[in-house]
Amino acid sequence: KAGVTQTPRYLIKTRGQQVTLSCSPISGHRSVSWYQQTPGQGLQFLFEYFSETQRNKGNFPGRFSGRQFSNSRSEMNVSTLELGDSALYLCASSFQFQYTEAFFGQGTRLTVV
Amino acid sequence: EDQVTQSPEALRLQEGESSSLNCSYTVSGLRGLFWYRQDPGKGPEFLFTLYSAGEEKEKERLKATLTKKESFLHITAPKPEDSATYLCAGGYTGNQFYFGTGTSLTVIP
Repeated sequence: KAGVTQTPRYLIKTRGQQVTLSCSPISGHRSVSWYQQTPGQGLQFLFEYFSETQRNKGNFPGRFSGRQFSNSRSEMNVSTLELGDSALYLCASSFQFQYTEAFFGQGTRLTVV
Repeated sequence: EDQVTQSPEALRLQEGESSSLNCSYTVSGLRGLFWYRQDPGKGPEFLFTLYSAGEEKEKERLKATLTKKESFLHITAPKPEDSATYLCAGGYTGNQFYFGTGTSLTVIP
C-alpha cells in the first residue's frame, strides 16, 4: 500500500514569490493535514481538510492557504514568501476525521532566499 | 492553551541500557495521545495511539503507557538503530495535533 506522497521534495524560492506544494494521501484516506516544521518551533499545525472542506486551521497568516480535491489530493499555497517561511512542510493523511492516527509523507523542504 | 511538553530534550544511552521518555499534556479535552519517531530529513513515522489512562501498547523494544496527565515511552535494551527523535502529540480537535518538541535519542554501540 503506497504511503503519503509529497512533491516536490525540495524547493528554492525567492522572497516575494509564491509556491504550491502537493500531497497525495494514502488510498482511502479522506483527511489531509499540513504541518510546518522548523528547528525553533517544531511541528506546527497549518490546516486540515476532510472531504474537500477545511475543518481546522492553525495560527498562521492568510498567506498560507490550501485546498483538497475530490480524489482527496491536497495542495497548499504560500504567497509572498518570507525568509521565515523556510521550513520542512509535512502532509499527513488519516482515514477519518477525529482523533485517528496520521501518517506523514517525507515532506517538502522549502528554502526561501 | 493546549500544550504538550516532552523531556528530556536529548538522551544518550549505551546499547542495552533501558530508559523512559516523558510526555506531559494538558488534560482538558485530550482525545488521543500519539507517539511518532522521526529520522533526520524524513517525515514522522507513526508508532502508537493511546486513548485512555491505563492503556499500554508495545512494539518490539518500545512500550507506550498513558496516565491521567503523562505518557511514557519505555525503551527496553535499545539498539543503535533506535536512535531518532521521538515525538508525542496530543489530539484535541479533529486531527489537529499539538506536538511536543521531541526527545533526541542516541544509542551508542
